[in-house]
Amino acid sequence: IVMTQSPDSLAVSLGERATINCKSSQSVLYSSTNKNYLSWYQQKPGQPPKLLLFWASTRDSGVPDRFSGSGSGTDFTLTINGLQAEDVAVYYCHQHYEGPWTFGQGTKVEFK
Amino acid sequence: QVQLQESGPGLVKPSETLSLTCSVSGGSVSSANDYWNWLRQSPGKGLEWIGYIYNSGSTKYNPSLESRVTISVDTSKNQFSLRLNSVTAADTAIYYCARQSTFRHCISSTTCYTGPNSFDFWGQGTLVSVSS
Repeated sequence: IVMTQSPDSLAVSLGERATINCKSSQSVLYSSTNKNYLSWYQQKPGQPPKLLLFWASTRDSGVPDRFSGSGSGTDFTLTINGLQAEDVAVYYCHQHYEGPWTFGQGTKVEFK
Repeated sequence: QVQLQESGPGLVKPSETLSLTCSVSGGSVSSANDYWNWLRQSPGKGLEWIGYIYNSGSTKYNPSLESRVTISVDTSKNQFSLRLNSVTAADTAIYYCARQSTFRHCISSTTCYTGPNSFDFWGQGTLVSVSS
């Protein structure tokens, strides 16, 4: 499954909203459970990726509520409401619906 | 809190074998509920899943690397390892080990679905360069 993110990069002012899109080449919604096997990660320089959201919209423990996820099937969105300084990073979507697990190419979020 | 730490040579010669070990603490590589993964990240190919081992010996690999990859586990040391043979410069990357827990979704009292969840714990990563 090919994961395609857009845009590749975006510049956002402090306190403004950042929106990242992720499209999968086939649905990652498992109909029997009504779960999307789609996760979002944040990666800062020199660090491994950090899990932000799983099942497309469920925040991992300790993740601030300014991070939210939406979408189903093949189209997903990560929204950061009120960008903070510590949110400057690269964000990746990932599917674990079907092997091999795959990631989007990443979206770099910077300050405007 | 599960912690993972990669170790191994930072430089490997072309055509030789890359070998890395991931030491796990706060969790068990023997757990039937966890999948122990290797991934890598290079500027040219982004994040790439290599494969996992679970249930103390079952493995699944990325078809793009399957012919060259072996993942094994040492339960006595609570470690799992990666071997990638016949390396080329294209294998230069930061290599990560990571855990996937098992999800369990029950839609009725008799029907449940299980499988690997997201990557919830990662090692810090180790840079491996392939060069003569």
